Amino acid sequence: GENVEQHPSTLSVQEGDSAVIKCTYSDSASNYFPWYKQELGKGPQLIIDIRSNVGEKKDQRIAVTLNKTAKHFSLHITETQPEDSAVYFCAAIKPPGTYKYIFGTGTRLKVLA
Amino acid sequence: DADVTQTPRNRITKTGKRIMLECSQTKGHDRMYWYRQDPGLGLRLIYYSFDVKDINKGEISDGYSVSRQAQAKFSLSLESAIPNQTALYFCATSVGPAENIQYFGAGTRLSVL
Repeated sequence: GENVEQHPSTLSVQEGDSAVIKCTYSDSASNYFPWYKQELGKGPQLIIDIRSNVGEKKDQRIAVTLNKTAKHFSLHITETQPEDSAVYFCAAIKPPGTYKYIFGTGTRLKVLA
Repeated sequence: DADVTQTPRNRITKTGKRIMLECSQTKGHDRMYWYRQDPGLGLRLIYYSFDVKDINKGEISDGYSVSRQAQAKFSLSLESAIPNQTALYFCATSVGPAENIQYFGAGTRLSVL
């Protein structure tokens, strides 16, 4: 079955530095790749997503890049702030099952003040 | 997301007991999901429902059952709880095939002693 590997499992950065989280998916038919942020005591919330026909997408301090050939995609957070501290999950979806997320195992990001 | 409400938020139960976790949503979405989150394993799909008369097993449905009482309500039951069902459970909703985004509740932390 489809698998999504996510690295690293934990990441500590100094405030103001950049953070990068990488995911690799196994099924080349996957065409939608969301990133979710889970803050303590809350459910995951979508922060950015990318479709397979796009190589990069940016929203203020966060960006996602997709390399379809290598089957990996990455989340980039620049100028990190303490409120960026959370667990981040990547996911992959392939048609026609647009309901069925395959989640990565999560990355706990700590931004040190 | 306050639009997706899970009750209870925390529950401690004993092995062999039957318990029900409830989810209600005010988003008007047709699709609802139950996930389980374990440390290091990410989010795994237990059951999903596309409408009131539709119930489908996810990747880890053994030991669980669900009921879709209305468009807005989707309950998860553990018929005879066991300790390895100790986990964080999330309910999620989505619009349908036209949009991939899933909206999560705040979660129910379940401990089976």
